[in-house]
Amino acid sequence: GAVVSQHPSRVICKSGTSVKIECRSLDFQATTMFWYRQFPKQSLMLMATSNEGSKATYEQGVEKDKFLINHASLTLSTLTVTSAHPEDSSFYICSASSSGQTQYFGPGTRLLVL
Amino acid sequence: QKEVEQNSGPLSVPEGAIASLNCTYSDRVSQSFFWYRQYSGKSPELIMSIYSNGDKEDGRFTAQLNKASQYVSLLIRDSQPSDSATYLCAVNKEYGNKLVFGAGTILRVKS
Repeated sequence: GAVVSQHPSRVICKSGTSVKIECRSLDFQATTMFWYRQFPKQSLMLMATSNEGSKATYEQGVEKDKFLINHASLTLSTLTVTSAHPEDSSFYICSASSSGQTQYFGPGTRLLVL
Repeated sequence: QKEVEQNSGPLSVPEGAIASLNCTYSDRVSQSFFWYRQYSGKSPELIMSIYSNGDKEDGRFTAQLNKASQYVSLLIRDSQPSDSATYLCAVNKEYGNKLVFGAGTILRVKS
């Protein structure tokens, strides 16, 4: 149980384009989903917390207009990186939690912006 | 002071030995504690969760929590080369709230 998927696993895009990443909880309903970013040899950095049906809460320093988060259902959240630039290249990881406290992570999406 | 602190390592242990990973946290109201394992290039994988003082065992893994000392540890018995990874300590302050991660400890198990 507690399987979380992400799609795509890897994406390469041109600078200035937008990229959408999907996060799905496959066998449980996720009341809360979290989006993290991880640069090489660094720890996870929480970007935002999203609850189903409400606006996401962004961490300090994360631009909400650049990283659009939608959590339309209890099994799906999406992160859209708008007008991506090379500095947005990173490993994006989502996690999902049901009404409890444990977070289960997706396999991550590696974004490369050329 | 960081909210969750871990020694970055690397911690090197021989195969079959006990690996001891430590983590301290600063906020006394913290209630839930987690250990995640992250292989290079992969996302974190939950190993253990612990909520009350004492030890919690699951196979070769034992989590230990001491809230008075604000200290949580992970012991890995009979360490295997496949245990080589970065181990992340995470603390959840309140029910349903976000996790605060430590920077992780790199473990290397040498055969």
